[in-house]
Amino acid sequence: GENVEQHPSTLSVQEGDSAVIKCTYSDSASNYFPWYKQELGKRPQLIIDIRSNVGEKKDQRIAVTLNKTAKHFSLHITETQPEDSAVYFCAANKRSSYKLIFGSGTRLLVRP
Amino acid sequence: DTEVTQTPKHLVMGMTNKKSLKCEQHMGHRAMYWYKQKAKKPPELMFVYSYEKLSINESVPSRFSPECPNSSLLNLHLHALQPEDSALYLCASSQVAAGNTEQFFGPGTRLTVL
Repeated sequence: GENVEQHPSTLSVQEGDSAVIKCTYSDSASNYFPWYKQELGKRPQLIIDIRSNVGEKKDQRIAVTLNKTAKHFSLHITETQPEDSAVYFCAANKRSSYKLIFGSGTRLLVRP
Repeated sequence: DTEVTQTPKHLVMGMTNKKSLKCEQHMGHRAMYWYKQKAKKPPELMFVYSYEKLSINESVPSRFSPECPNSSLLNLHLHALQPEDSALYLCASSQVAAGNTEQFFGPGTRLTVL
């Protein structure tokens, strides 16, 4: 069935360093790839998304890249800050489906 | 209004109780979702409503009963729950129930079943 694998499960970086989280999807029909940030006790919030007709998208310190051939997509956070500490979930979906397929999550810790 | 709201924030119930969770959005979205989230896990889809009709039931036990009274409201009726049903219940909405539209999540109801 459809599956999204996410790595690493935990990531600890020094403030100011970059963080990269990687996801791999199984369904080649997937064409929408959102990333959600969930702080402790809070709701998942969309931070960036990418559709399959582009290879990269940036929003300030956050970027997402997509490699459709390899079925990989990655989240890049530059100049990390303590407030970036949270759990990050990648997800994949396709036009014909209502269902977001989530990765297992990455707990990011930014050390001051 | 660009938020999804949920009530109550916390709920403790016994296994014989009947309770309801409520979700509301005023963004004009026509798709609404219920998710269940256990600690340290991703949200798990339970139900999808599209234009107030139930479109997906992810094989959820009948002790969970969804209801969509109108395009802005979504309820989840709970009856005879088990302790393993304790979790964060998230509501979400999107413009339409299509695969490439952003889903907006509510803050969730933290449910504890004793």
